[in-house]
Amino acid sequence: KAGVTQTPRYLIKTRGQQVTLSCSPISGHRSVSWYQQTPGQGLQFLFEYFSETQRNKGNFPGRFSGRQFSNSRSEMNVSTLELGDSALYLCASSLGQTSSGNTIYFGEGSWLTVV
Amino acid sequence: GQQVMQIPQYQHVQEGEDFTTYCNSSTTLSNIQWYKQRPGGHPVFLIQLVKSGEVKKQKRLTFQFGEAKKNSSLHITATQTTDVGTYFCFISNFGNEKLTFGTGTRLTIIP
Repeated sequence: KAGVTQTPRYLIKTRGQQVTLSCSPISGHRSVSWYQQTPGQGLQFLFEYFSETQRNKGNFPGRFSGRQFSNSRSEMNVSTLELGDSALYLCASSLGQTSSGNTIYFGEGSWLTVV
Repeated sequence: GQQVMQIPQYQHVQEGEDFTTYCNSSTTLSNIQWYKQRPGGHPVFLIQLVKSGEVKKQKRLTFQFGEAKKNSSLHITATQTTDVGTYFCFISNFGNEKLTFGTGTRLTIIP
């Protein structure tokens, strides 16, 4: 069974640009959650999607958005990039809703550098 | 606001020594999960604790959930170089906050 797949793995963007990251969950998993990992702030929750609906959202500005498609694949978008957005963005999937205590399985992550 | 504190932030141990990390919450938790992230890798699920006072073991790893369900610990007996990494506790439903990771404990092993 394939794991969680994230693309691209590495990317470099310029301040002010926007970026879209993609996540394909484990087959059969309906929940996808996104996290930002930085050395200073640790692992922080961005949002969770389940059955194409955003179920929970972390404390990030509106520049961070996401969506989930009918096949459970998910994308997150960051607009008007800032230097502080440089981070590892991790996607995780779970069988049921993550916020209900289901185990989450992480992808390898997308390393974003903003210059 | 509500916080999930994890201590210590760093731990350096000689190979063969024991290691413990603690996760403390200001409010009662419904459950807690533990994850391990190897250097350069992604977090990997270790265990989930649900019941008050629950203790679970995985080979050299022992996980505990406090009686009041406000704290948890992960203990590794006789550490090995393969134990290197950062250990995170994870709260899926935490008062008004969701999906919160602890600050993590980075374990390094001195061979």
